[in-house]
Amino acid sequence: GQNIDQPTEMTATEGAIVQINCTYQTSGFNGLFWYQQHAGEAPTFLSYNVLDGLEEKGRFSSFLSRSKGYSYLLLKELQMKDSASYLCAALDSNYQLIWGAGTKLIIKP
Amino acid sequence: GAVVSQHPSRVICKSGTSVKIECRSLDFQATTMFWYRQFPKQSLMLMATSNEGSKATYEQGVEKDKFLINHASLTLSTLTVTSAHPEDSSFYICSARRGEPYEQYFGPGTRLTVT
Repeated sequence: GQNIDQPTEMTATEGAIVQINCTYQTSGFNGLFWYQQHAGEAPTFLSYNVLDGLEEKGRFSSFLSRSKGYSYLLLKELQMKDSASYLCAALDSNYQLIWGAGTKLIIKP
Repeated sequence: GAVVSQHPSRVICKSGTSVKIECRSLDFQATTMFWYRQFPKQSLMLMATSNEGSKATYEQGVEKDKFLINHASLTLSTLTVTSAHPEDSSFYICSARRGEPYEQYFGPGTRLTVT
């Protein structure tokens, strides 16, 4: 079966760095997405990785290892507004997104 | 670019009535649109996938006669919740995809409350 695993909840301090891990098992693979979802709002696109390695975009970076079925989202210089759920989603061979349950990130001052 | 609108943002209706939700891709043509439902503190649940001009593909457990999806053009899809009941109260979110790299752009969501 297809499966995405990510931690349910994480807590970090304002100004610090946090890494949210995601492992996936899918029928075929066409890329890994990260989305941010604030409470009561729809998800917004953060990043897309299809090749191994690190993609940096400002304070956010995303890493992919296809051989390990593993990705992480790295958030630097955390701000209170980064408190949200972070969703990992893998694109399978049919170009369907398989969603993780999301990681709720709590930022403390 | 890649803006998706959704209307209405909030709707309250009485049990037994029908509600239509519109999803539009404003600045691109969407090859595929998706409808999701999300209950409080739960993850996104895909309800159906629709391609322009063809019938929607529903996920297991989603009643196609209750949740009618029409994808009349490359920029518009509608979801009609027929004979709504309180248990249909949820956050309904649409998304649109335009091709490679296949990311989905989400509408702002519609909060449905059935009384």
